[in-house]
Amino acid sequence: AQSVAQPEDQVNVAEGNPLTVKCTYSVSGNPYLFWYVQYPNRGLQFLLKYITGDNLVKGSYGFEAEFNKSQTSFHLKKPSALVSDSALYVCAVRDDGSARQLTFGSGTQLTVLP
Amino acid sequence: EAGVAQSPRYKIIEKRQSVAFWCNPISGHATLYWYQQILGQGPKLLIQFQNNGVVDDSQLPKDRFSAERLKGVDSTLKIQPAKLEDSAVYLCASSLGTGGNYEKLFFGSGTQLSVL
Repeated sequence: AQSVAQPEDQVNVAEGNPLTVKCTYSVSGNPYLFWYVQYPNRGLQFLLKYITGDNLVKGSYGFEAEFNKSQTSFHLKKPSALVSDSALYVCAVRDDGSARQLTFGSGTQLTVLP
Repeated sequence: EAGVAQSPRYKIIEKRQSVAFWCNPISGHATLYWYQQILGQGPKLLIQFQNNGVVDDSQLPKDRFSAERLKGVDSTLKIQPAKLEDSAVYLCASSLGTGGNYEKLFFGSGTQLSVL
């Protein structure tokens, strides 16, 4: 079975401060991990993915995520938050040994305060 | 490049009525997905097509939901009859394929369905 958890429904951060949005996963094999972002009245947009290789993955808009196998986590990070980063962030996972499709988390609403 | 197109953007119906959603994926994308996203939850896969064949419809409530992908391009998702619990955003997504580097989904803006 595969599952993903985003423990925080809401994260608030001041503009210019670093931000972290948490994601943990559970798979039987090796994980394929993804972050998507949803701005108001827009569809989900791909941010970044981890398939294999370096544990630190860089994506769009200055975001990066760190794959930590021992902690089964894939937290999304950005060194300096912008007000325009305010959006819903959704983590997804798929077990590379499974035919099952992506399992999405419930999302974390990020609000960057000016 | 043009994105995934969905229509309508909003739909309000009464329970027991029928409704249909339309999706036009990105040109050349072989894989098409329909997701249901209930408020406060992550998207849940309803059905996945590879070209015009169904890959996974294990979570599709087949007694009321149906979907088809015409000639491996456009797709329609139908609900008949609708229930109150079908109120959700219905998302269409497409990708070049599946597996590894092909597994980057492009989503449409969704159809917000309200069943009264």
